[in-house]
Amino acid sequence: SQTIHQWPATLVQPVGSPLSLECTVEGTSNPNLYWYRQAAGRGLQLLFYSVGIGQISSEVPQNLSASRPQDRQFILSSKKLLLSDSGFYLCAWSVTANEKLFFGSGTQLSVL
Amino acid sequence: AQKITQTQPGMFVQEKEAVTLDCTYDTSDPSYGLFWYKQPSSGEMIFLIYQGSYDQQNATEGRYSLNFQKARKSANLVISASQLGDSAMYFCAMSRETGGKLIFGQGTELSVKP
Repeated sequence: SQTIHQWPATLVQPVGSPLSLECTVEGTSNPNLYWYRQAAGRGLQLLFYSVGIGQISSEVPQNLSASRPQDRQFILSSKKLLLSDSGFYLCAWSVTANEKLFFGSGTQLSVL
Repeated sequence: AQKITQTQPGMFVQEKEAVTLDCTYDTSDPSYGLFWYKQPSSGEMIFLIYQGSYDQQNATEGRYSLNFQKARKSANLVISASQLGDSAMYFCAMSRETGGKLIFGQGTELSVKP
């Protein structure tokens, strides 16, 4: 069966520090991969999605970047965190476009 | 542009009663999918139910059913026989015909009272 792993679960970082959140999927090949951010009490905002290795699409301009170095690995990064980067980050995958998403357990990021 | 609207920030329901969570959408795509997810306080997103825009019948999954009214562009979630464990945030989402990607509404917080 397929599983998705996302870590860390919580992270507290100072402003200006770098960020690396990792997500891996097991049990499937060539998944579509996504990074979403959820502000407190709000809906999910799509940040990045990828349909294959090295293929990244950005939905909104921001202080973050994403990379897909391997088929089932998706990394969210920042060189210098801002206060506004705080939030709940969710990684997700789907078999193809338009199919349901399977989500990781999320990372609560607090930038202080 | 596509948009999902959930107009109920919070809802209360008595245990064992049914509740309807509203969702309206706007799209010009001829083909799209509609989804409902549940987010408990733990933060995980749990898939509940899916409705395709060309599906003739309303989707059902156990106690969950989707009241799909295409002409009105609404996709309301109906939860029958509410349980205490149903207390959570509920998100409506829509996918596009091309490019995939789900866009989400702002969510409805459901509280089930004993």
